[in-house]
Amino acid sequence: GAVVSQHPSRVICKSGTSVKIECRSLDFQATTMFWYRQFPKQSLMLMATSNEGSKATYEQGVEKDKFLINHASLTLSTLTVTSAHPEDSSFYICSAEDPRTGMSDTQYFGPGTRLTVL
Amino acid sequence: TQLLEQSPQFLSIQEGENLTVYCNSSSVFSSLQWYRQEPGEGPVLLVTVVTGGEVKKLKRLTFQFGDARKDSSLHITAAQPGDTGLYLCAGVRTSGSRLTFGEGTQLTVNP
Repeated sequence: GAVVSQHPSRVICKSGTSVKIECRSLDFQATTMFWYRQFPKQSLMLMATSNEGSKATYEQGVEKDKFLINHASLTLSTLTVTSAHPEDSSFYICSAEDPRTGMSDTQYFGPGTRLTVL
Repeated sequence: TQLLEQSPQFLSIQEGENLTVYCNSSSVFSSLQWYRQEPGEGPVLLVTVVTGGEVKKLKRLTFQFGDARKDSSLHITAAQPGDTGLYLCAGVRTSGSRLTFGEGTQLTVNP
């Protein structure tokens, strides 16, 4: 159980275009999902908390208008990188808490999406 | 200042050696998790520790949560090349709500 998927796994886009990344909880419902960004050989940096049915909560320094998050259902959250630029190139990872485990602090991660902006 | 300090940041050892990775903080955590991440993939949960002084074993991996719930360690016995990866500790403070990650330890086990 507790499987989280992401799509696409890799995406290359031109500067100025928008890219949507999907995060799905496959075998459980997640009212809360999280989006992280990771640079090479570094740890994960939390970007925002995605709440089903309400607005996402963004971390300090993360542009809300650039990184649009939509949590339309209990199994799907999307991150849209708008007007992407080369500096947005990174590894984006989502995670979710599985309420069935009874351990609210434990998150299960998707496989990540490698975004390259040319 | 990093909330969770991991050490060492990089470790390169020979197959068969033992190693310990440390995760330290001045804050108290309600729980700590250890993850392992391979290049191009998401972190995979190894263990969650919740009780001060708790010790959990997962085959050749031993995890310990400090008595005061401010630190944790991961010990690997007889390391194998398949253990190579980025090891991340993470936790939620008793006074907070977000999962905080350490900087990670990049382990390379050479055959």
